[in-house]
Amino acid sequence: DAKTTQPNSMESNEEEPVHLPCNHSTISGTDYIHWYRQLPSQGPEYVIHGLTSNVNNRMASLAIAEDRKSSTLILHRATLRDAAVYYCILINNFGNEKLTFGTGTRLTIIP
Amino acid sequence: GAVVSQHPSWVICKSGTSVKIECRSLDFQATTMFWYRQFPKQSLMLMATSNEGSKATYEQGVEKDKFLINHASLTLSTLTVTSAHPEDSSFYICSALDWGRASTDTQYFGPGTRLTVL
Repeated sequence: DAKTTQPNSMESNEEEPVHLPCNHSTISGTDYIHWYRQLPSQGPEYVIHGLTSNVNNRMASLAIAEDRKSSTLILHRATLRDAAVYYCILINNFGNEKLTFGTGTRLTIIP
Repeated sequence: GAVVSQHPSWVICKSGTSVKIECRSLDFQATTMFWYRQFPKQSLMLMATSNEGSKATYEQGVEKDKFLINHASLTLSTLTVTSAHPEDSSFYICSALDWGRASTDTQYFGPGTRLTVL
């Protein structure tokens, strides 16, 4: 499986945008970029995914580099409830459904 | 939509007893479910892949006779920790695969079950 690299931790002020980076330099053409987050003492929660184009949903935006070797999850206006560990995961769409969780980025929101 | 439940949310048991954890997809059918384990301050580790109507596929290093998985219907998978010991104390999380909601694999996770073995 292609690997991803994320910073261990980040801090952001409440009500400000947050940009969470992810590097995946060995991504293959059929790998989708998925983001999940895990709030304290809860199961992970799906956030967003994309292949090549930037994506938006009600939770976040996903900006994908033109060469697809990196991506950025954007929380437009962070709230205290966004404090979580964010995982960037590559999933091959050809039947490999396993998720391999790395260490993720622990996001702390400062009131 | 895409809700996955787990029961119980927490359980405390004595060493040597068995514990069953249920994972249900509430509003969709899940041919495939996954079981993960998470120790404190660590990431999720996949234990096994559960396919409805067939035997589960276990990850390397996971004892299939200790962690019994049954996926008897499209909405229910169970994990039984047999003869539990204190080192089995962990946060157990299931997920269910829903092909219908997205163009690619999207897993929806349960809230987790915290197991403490005394």
